[in-house]
Amino acid sequence: DAKTTQPPSMDCAEGRAANLPCNHSTISGNEYVYWYRQIHSQGPQYIIHGLKNNETNEMASLIITEDRKSSTLILPHATLRDTAVYYCIVRYNQGGKLIFGQGTELSVKP
Amino acid sequence: GAVVSQHPSWVICKSGTSVKIECRSLDFQATTMFWYRQFPKQSLMLMATSNEGSKATYEQGVEKDKFLINHASLTLSTLTVTSAHPEDSSFYICSALSGRFGTDTQYFGPGTRLTVL
Repeated sequence: DAKTTQPPSMDCAEGRAANLPCNHSTISGNEYVYWYRQIHSQGPQYIIHGLKNNETNEMASLIITEDRKSSTLILPHATLRDTAVYYCIVRYNQGGKLIFGQGTELSVKP
Repeated sequence: GAVVSQHPSWVICKSGTSVKIECRSLDFQATTMFWYRQFPKQSLMLMATSNEGSKATYEQGVEKDKFLINHASLTLSTLTVTSAHPEDSSFYICSALSGRFGTDTQYFGPGTRLTVL
């Protein structure tokens, strides 16, 4: 599975959009980009995933560049409860394992 | 959504004893489940892949005789830490693979915190 690179930490003001970047320059054609988050002392929570088109759900939007070498997770109106470690992971959709990197620790501040 | 539960949520045991952790998919069937371990201030580390009705596949460096995995039904996988020692103290998290909603997504349980005295 391809590796990803994320900034170790980011801050965001409450109510503003949080844009979390992820680089995955070695992604292969049939690998998906998945995003999870982990709030302290809890199991990871699925957020969103995509292959090449931009995706949106009730939690977030996922923007994938045309060459698929990077992506951005957007939380449109961050709240204090969005403070968590966010993981960007690439994997094959069928049978691929989720291998976690270090993620980005997002702190949403009042 | 897809819900995964774990039991117990926390457990304290004496060194040398065995501890069993259960992972259940509550509203879907999961032929494949995964077990992870997480030490403080570290990321999740995949321990093994559990397939219903067959032997688990362990990641390199994980002792299969120490971490026994059983996936006897489509909704239940168990992890038994045998002869636990203080260095096994960790946060153990399971996930289940769901093919619902046309996707192939892993959903995680809330985790089990194991403390070995």
